Order: sequence, then structure tokens, then C-alpha cells
Amino acid sequence: QSALTQPPSASGSPGQSVTISCTGTSNDVGLYSYVSWYQQLPGKVPKLMIYEVNKRPSGVPDRFSGSKSGNTAYLTVSGLQAEDEAEYYCTSNAASNNFHVVFGGGTKLTVL
Amino acid sequence: QVQLVESGGGVVQPGTSLRLSCAASGFTFSNFAMHWVRQAPGKGLEWVAVISYDGVNKYHTDSVNGRLTISRDNSKNTLYLEMNSLRGDDTAVYYCARGLFPSSWHYLGTWGQGTLVAVSS
Repeated sequence: QSALTQPPSASGSPGQSVTISCTGTSNDVGLYSYVSWYQQLPGKVPKLMIYEVNKRPSGVPDRFSGSKSGNTAYLTVSGLQAEDEAEYYCTSNAASNNFHVVFGGGTKLTVL
Repeated sequence: QVQLVESGGGVVQPGTSLRLSCAASGFTFSNFAMHWVRQAPGKGLEWVAVISYDGVNKYHTDSVNGRLTISRDNSKNTLYLEMNSLRGDDTAVYYCARGLFPSSWHYLGTWGQGTLVAVSS
């Protein structure tokens, strides 16, 4: 099962907005709404930030938002803060099996 | 509060077996699908397997080729990962994770701290 494609890095200055993309296929990201995003701070456990494309779990700041267009999903972080510097991973169901989960390769977000 | 605690990791030789455990507390374990996810040193996250709330349905990533098997014991609130014929590329931190909602398979809402498996001769 192929991993989803994310840019290896992204950056922005405090207060700016940054958008990270996650590209799949018409059989995973494009077909279903099972997209989620995870934040992994350095040395920490991953944390769910967005699920079902654009929903936020309780406690996640509304600076984090998700969207999807065609086969590509997006995570937008608005009003960047220093503590947002982390690795971000997207997931979706796998194209080959709807019950499998596939991760993107991860995007390192740097706050300049 | 919801808590997941992995155990069973360690340094093992190639070709040997290992069983990881994940002890759950703070929620009704038997209501939730559970996952294993691994992360090789300095690498990204890789989904390994998921098991339904009742243990009936199990799915594993294709790359493990039947060597890794997920299971659960709801009477003990414990998730397992049986690992056989271990190889160097199985070296990783192994996380267990709970589905976000009882009905959700695809979203990993709570993660354990992970347990390190190092396969080396």
C-alpha cells in the first residue's frame, strides 16, 4: 500500500498561516472522508489534530483546520506560534483496503 | 483518564519472536477498535494493524507478510502484537493507539508512550 505524499518541509513566521498538502489517489483521499492529521512534537507521542477531513477533537485550537480538494487534503495552521513547530502526518484509508490506514511521509513545520 | 501503556520491547536477535502488550485503562476497552503503529528511528509513522472492538476483525499492513499479528483480550483490557521472524527493518518504537470513537476505525485518538524493539545480532 502506497504512502500518501507530503512535502518534506514547510515554514512560516509567527502569526502567519501555513498550509501542508497531502496527496493520495481517487481510491483513498479522493473517494472517502477518512483523512486525519497528527502532530508529533520533537521526542513526543503523536497527537490527533484533525479527523474526518476537517473536524477537530476537543482541545485542539481552532487555528488548525483541514480541507480537501480532489485527491489532495490540506492542513492549515493559522496564526503560527513557536509551539506549532513539529512533524505533521496525514492519514487516510488505503486504496487497496478500506480498513487499512496509510500515513503520509510527514512534513517538518519550522516556525522561523 | 484514558491511558495506554506498552511493554515487552527490547533488544532481540534476527529471526526470533517477541510479544508486545498494551495495557488499557480509564475507558471501556471492549468498546473500541485498537491499532499498532510503529516508527523506525528518525523515520515517519507506519501503520501496522487494527483489531475490531470484539477481536473478530483484524487487518495488517501488507509489508509484515503475516509475521506480525494483532490480538486482544478484553477480559484483561490488553492489546497484543505477536512478532515472529523478526528482521532488522522491524526495529522501531511501537505505539498502541485507541480509536477516537467506539465507531471509528480510522482515527487514532489516544496513543501510548511506545515501546522500543531493536533487532540486532
